Amino acid sequence: DAKTTQPPSMDCAEGRAANLPCNHSTISGNEYVYWYRQIHSQGPQYIIHGLKNNETNEMASLIITEDRKSSTLILPHATLRDTAVYYCIVRERSNDYKLSFGAGTTVTVRA
Amino acid sequence: GAVVSQHPSRVICKSGTSVKIECRSLDFQATTMFWYRQFPKQSLMLMATSNEGSKATYEQGVEKDKFLINHASLTLSTLTVTSAHPEDSSFYICSAQKLADNEQFFGPGTRLTVL
Repeated sequence: DAKTTQPPSMDCAEGRAANLPCNHSTISGNEYVYWYRQIHSQGPQYIIHGLKNNETNEMASLIITEDRKSSTLILPHATLRDTAVYYCIVRERSNDYKLSFGAGTTVTVRA
Repeated sequence: GAVVSQHPSRVICKSGTSVKIECRSLDFQATTMFWYRQFPKQSLMLMATSNEGSKATYEQGVEKDKFLINHASLTLSTLTVTSAHPEDSSFYICSAQKLADNEQFFGPGTRLTVL
């Protein structure tokens, strides 16, 4: 039970911003929104997480709606190396809390 | 920081043999490590949760006698696939949860092929 819904795939042009949506309508008050990505044949890579405020780091920005039922991951200037499966996960930040992976969004960046 | 390694990165073995995979947190302590399995074109499936110094907790449908997990220190967990068969061929990935802030970081994965 992944608790999130993402589009199965999306294409974007190299150099343009990629906006990846995620619905998490049943998120509870103490659950954070996490984003990971998995490049082919590698382990998942942490991207960013947030609770209710928008967050930005060197990789991406995370925009969370006021009701917290959805969020958008923004890759500001997509490169070919950003081609990967992107996973949106809700998770409590407590001991032993598992990450439950859904199908994710396969993002293909095209030259 | 927050680097997790796995060894070996790939292994090919004969049916019936046992294979041990190591997961190490290189620059942080992890009381909890997780083991996942990923079949081609599928998502990661959690197999078990490993806590340092105690028995692992297995997900439903995962045989604990087949997938032996040992978590003897704050930086090392091992997964042993016993009497491996071709259907056990998969990509095995571990993650380590930092003691300091409970964030999880993943290893690069181990590709197991059973002939």
